[in-house]
Amino acid sequence: DQQVKQNSPSLSVQEGRISILNCDYTNSMFDYFLWYKKYPAEGPTFLISISSIKDKNEDGRFTVFLNKSAKHLSLHIVPSQPGDSAVYFCAASGPGSGTYKYIFGTGTRLKVLA
Amino acid sequence: NAGVTQTPKFRILKIGQSMTLQCTQDMNHNYMYWYRQDPGMGLKLIYYSVGAGITDKGEVPNGYNVSRSTTEDFPLRLELAAPSQTSVYFCASLRKGETVSPLHFGNGTRLTVT
Repeated sequence: DQQVKQNSPSLSVQEGRISILNCDYTNSMFDYFLWYKKYPAEGPTFLISISSIKDKNEDGRFTVFLNKSAKHLSLHIVPSQPGDSAVYFCAASGPGSGTYKYIFGTGTRLKVLA
Repeated sequence: NAGVTQTPKFRILKIGQSMTLQCTQDMNHNYMYWYRQDPGMGLKLIYYSVGAGITDKGEVPNGYNVSRSTTEDFPLRLELAAPSQTSVYFCASLRKGETVSPLHFGNGTRLTVT
């Protein structure tokens, strides 16, 4: 049972345009959500997070939106840069998963075209 | 700070052999985790630990064992390697405090069982 889903395995975007990565979850008890970025041969690195008490969190070019009623979150990257090309994972945790046991999606490979 | 350090980076095992994947962190984090990542799949939690002497199973614990004798170290043991254990293994840690914090990952160990 996949509790965190990223339904788009890949996404290509032109440099300078917006990249939108999506993530859906099934467990309404999740209360903390994160996005990680992963380059080949490296471990995932933390990008941005959002608590369930908010619906938006911004950090520079990165914004995460949370729609609790739809159990959906998205990551917006504006403007996209070639260095953003990586695999992006969303993750969730909360009482439903056992606090601090992060459940990860399957990832979306973003390619930013120069 | 080195962060989370994993050794070895690569290993090839024959079926039935055993090995220990090492993980150490120098951030004084109390929680530590082992994840595996298979191609096209997300990160699956194998085992985690909330402090020295305390460990618990994650989503996919079969075929693995862990111990946590110190705050810094969290080794993962494979007793009888099987081809299904071919994967990339990531160790991660976080500090549980008053606020939720993200996971910090090591760079992974790529294991092949033939």
